[in-house]
Parts: sequence; C-alpha cells; structure tokens
Amino acid sequence: EAQVTQNPRYLITVTGKKLTVTCSQNMNHEYMSWYRQDPGLGLRQIYYSMNVEVTDKGDVPEGYKVSRKEKRNFPLILESPSPNQTSLYFCASSLSRGEQFFGPGTRLTVL
Amino acid sequence: QKEVEQNSGPLSVPEGAIASLNCTYSDRGSQSFFWYRQYSGKSPELIMFIYSNGDKEDGRFTAQLNKASQYVSLLIRDSQPSDSATYLCAVNGSWGKLQFGAGTQVVVTP
Repeated sequence: EAQVTQNPRYLITVTGKKLTVTCSQNMNHEYMSWYRQDPGLGLRQIYYSMNVEVTDKGDVPEGYKVSRKEKRNFPLILESPSPNQTSLYFCASSLSRGEQFFGPGTRLTVL
Repeated sequence: QKEVEQNSGPLSVPEGAIASLNCTYSDRGSQSFFWYRQYSGKSPELIMFIYSNGDKEDGRFTAQLNKASQYVSLLIRDSQPSDSATYLCAVNGSWGKLQFGAGTQVVVTP
C-alpha cells in the first residue's frame, strides 16, 4: 500500500529536550516536505526537500532541522523544543510540488 | 495580506444542496491549484486539481479557475453528510512554492 508514515503519532515532551519525528514514504517520490498546522493559520511549510541531500527552508523553519540522506526518509528534528512549537505536524511526499500525499500527522505538545 | 485566502466558515449546507467554496490568491504567476479535504483529526487528502481556466468536473466535485480574477472555487453538488470537513485551497506559485489557505469548514445538515 502506497503511504507516508510518521512516528510518533503523539508526543508530550518538555522544553529543551531534543526530539526527532520520523517520516518515511514508499512511493519513490522525490519531493518531501514538513508542515505544521495551527488553528486559524492553516498549513505552513517548515522545510522541503526536492531530492536526496537537497533541502530548503519553507515559511517557518526557525527551531527545526531536517535531513534527507535517503530518498524515502525525511526526519524532522527539534534540537531544543519550546512551547510555541506545540502543534500538529504533517509530513508529505509528492512527485511534484502540488499533488501531495500526507502522513497521518504527529501531535506534539511541549510543556 | 495572506497569499491564499479562504472564508473560514462554517459553511452550513442542507443535504442535497450545492456547497460553493471560494479561494483567492495573490501571486498572479501561479500555475496550479489544488483542493484538499481534511476530516477532523485526519490528514489532508487531495480531491481536485486544476491548471487551466474554466471548469473541471470529477463526480460531484467541480473546480473552477479564473486566473484573471485570481480565484479558484470548488462546488460540491448533492452534498452529503460525509462531505462535512474542512476544505483547503492550495496554490503553486510562480516560484514553485505551494501555499495553503487556512481552510473552509463545511457542515452538511440532514
């Protein structure tokens, strides 16, 4: 089954404790991206990657890091999480920039 | 000004009626346009895309694009309770950057 998987699905952590949210796709897509979704603000892109070893900032990259060492994986790293990073996070992959397949989401709470 | 704007709703639609959703965008060079549906607590899923001016129909859904006026709309005919969701408009701008609107909540009432 073609899918994008994210782990963990739910995470409660404390300020400053480094965390990684994994994302993996099995559709051989070149384009992957991370979004956060907050009430009233919609989906905002954090980082995107057009291919292996190619990443670029989206609209809200501050406080996040990504890496793309393999085509299928695109982890999101929060080196020192803060409460304003409490949000719903989605990973997405696509053949092009528009028709994106989204993962199930990760609900992150930073205390 | 937001790059992609949608009325947040909720848009209340009687079952069987037509739901009409609108989206405006600011980047005149935008080339491709998408509608995603998102059920509460779920991830967005693509339901329609349109690249050329005019109408595009897929089942009960019709996307309409007017580049001169910089708007794209989505019509849902014969609305069903299962259509109750938030609909996200997404626009692929001239720099190849995909921007999402904040979404319109649709509530179909029996």
